[in-house]
Amino acid sequence: AQSVAQPEDQVNVAEGNPLTVKCTYSVSGNPYLFWYVQYPNRGLQFLLKYITGDNLVKGSYGFEAEFNKSQTSFHLKKPSALVSDSALYFCAVRPRSNDYKLSFGAGTTVTVRA
Amino acid sequence: EAGVTQSPTHLIKTRGQQATLRCSPISGHTSVYWYQQALGLGLQFLLWYDEGEERNRGNFPPRFSGRQFPNYSSELNVNALELEDSALYLCASSYLGGEIPYEQYFGPGTRLTVT
Repeated sequence: AQSVAQPEDQVNVAEGNPLTVKCTYSVSGNPYLFWYVQYPNRGLQFLLKYITGDNLVKGSYGFEAEFNKSQTSFHLKKPSALVSDSALYFCAVRPRSNDYKLSFGAGTTVTVRA
Repeated sequence: EAGVTQSPTHLIKTRGQQATLRCSPISGHTSVYWYQQALGLGLQFLLWYDEGEERNRGNFPPRFSGRQFPNYSSELNVNALELEDSALYLCASSYLGGEIPYEQYFGPGTRLTVT
């Protein structure tokens, strides 16, 4: 069975400060890892993915994520948060197989205060 | 490039009725996925279609079904609606890349309310 954990329901940061959203996974093998963001009353927007190689992945809107195999983590980061980054963030995994479905974490609500 | 589109935006049904939700994928994408985002339950995988065939389904009862048309658009049908079917239903599309994990692109969703 595969599972994704986002241990924090909410993250609050001040604008201009670094932002980190945590994600750990439990999937056999080496899964593919994704981050999505959801704004109110909108669908999910793709931010970035990890396939293989460099443990630091750069994505859209200045976000990056660090893959750590030993800790089975894939934390999302942004060096300087903006108020407009306030949204719901989802980590997702997909196994390296013909099973293409995504398994999502419960989501983390990020609030960036001005 | 147009994104994934879904219709209707909102749908209100009564218990026992049937609901039909529609999705048009991004041009060139052959795979369509359906997810349910229910309050308190998070995002759960429902169905995956590719080239007109159902490839995988999540842990949902058979009254959740769908199909994919030759133009790769898709329908999700929910029969015998129950109150707990109230949720945001998200459709996503992607290329089918074999070993390449193409990301899924999501539509804005259909909000289904069952009264």
